[in-house]
Amino acid sequence: AQTVTQSQPEMSVQEAETVTLSCTYDTSENNYYLFWYKQPPSRQMILVIRQEAYKQQNATENRFSVNFQKAAKSFSLKISDSQLGDTAMYFCAFMKLYNNNDMRFGAGTRLTVKP
Amino acid sequence: SAVISQKPSRDICQRGTSLTIQCQVDSQVTMMFWYRQQPGQSLTLIATANQGSEATYESGFVIDKFPISRPNLTFSTLTVSNMSPEDSSIYLCSARVPGGALAYGYTFGSGTRLTVV
Repeated sequence: AQTVTQSQPEMSVQEAETVTLSCTYDTSENNYYLFWYKQPPSRQMILVIRQEAYKQQNATENRFSVNFQKAAKSFSLKISDSQLGDTAMYFCAFMKLYNNNDMRFGAGTRLTVKP
Repeated sequence: SAVISQKPSRDICQRGTSLTIQCQVDSQVTMMFWYRQQPGQSLTLIATANQGSEATYESGFVIDKFPISRPNLTFSTLTVSNMSPEDSSIYLCSARVPGGALAYGYTFGSGTRLTVV
């Protein structure tokens, strides 16, 4: 079974600064997808960034980027130029390619951006 | 991307009663997923619902407690039966982005906050 671990229950960062959220996972699969989702107080799950395991290049989406280390099974999220609107819960998620393609989530990191 | 309308957005229910949560997708999707998110916790998969077949439940979740319907490719319901205070959670449905590769992930409904008193 796949497990996803986020070891930082809470983090804070000053507005305009950079913060990195950690995520590790355990799997015997070779091909899979990894995601970071954001959940603001509205409860809506919002996809932030995604990474295909077969791609060595780290994904980037504007101020968001990942550091994907496949051998170490690590998938951290870096938020640059943090904004107040980035305040939310962030969930790391793993999805295998086969057998229902269900998505498994880490425990989440509550990020607070301070003015 | 697809939009999922989920309702009710919240409800307060008496113990021993049942609540049915509905999710309507604006596109046809093959698979839908139901998650539970207990207060301050992560999302736990309850079951996977394919149209035309019985839902597949995860360990710890049973059909008698969480019956699921999937009558067509755009709709699904989850019923929380014989509720107790321990069922107080946020329940979310999700579906694969229609026409998109798995790499695009899934879209989610806005969640149902259930409180059992």
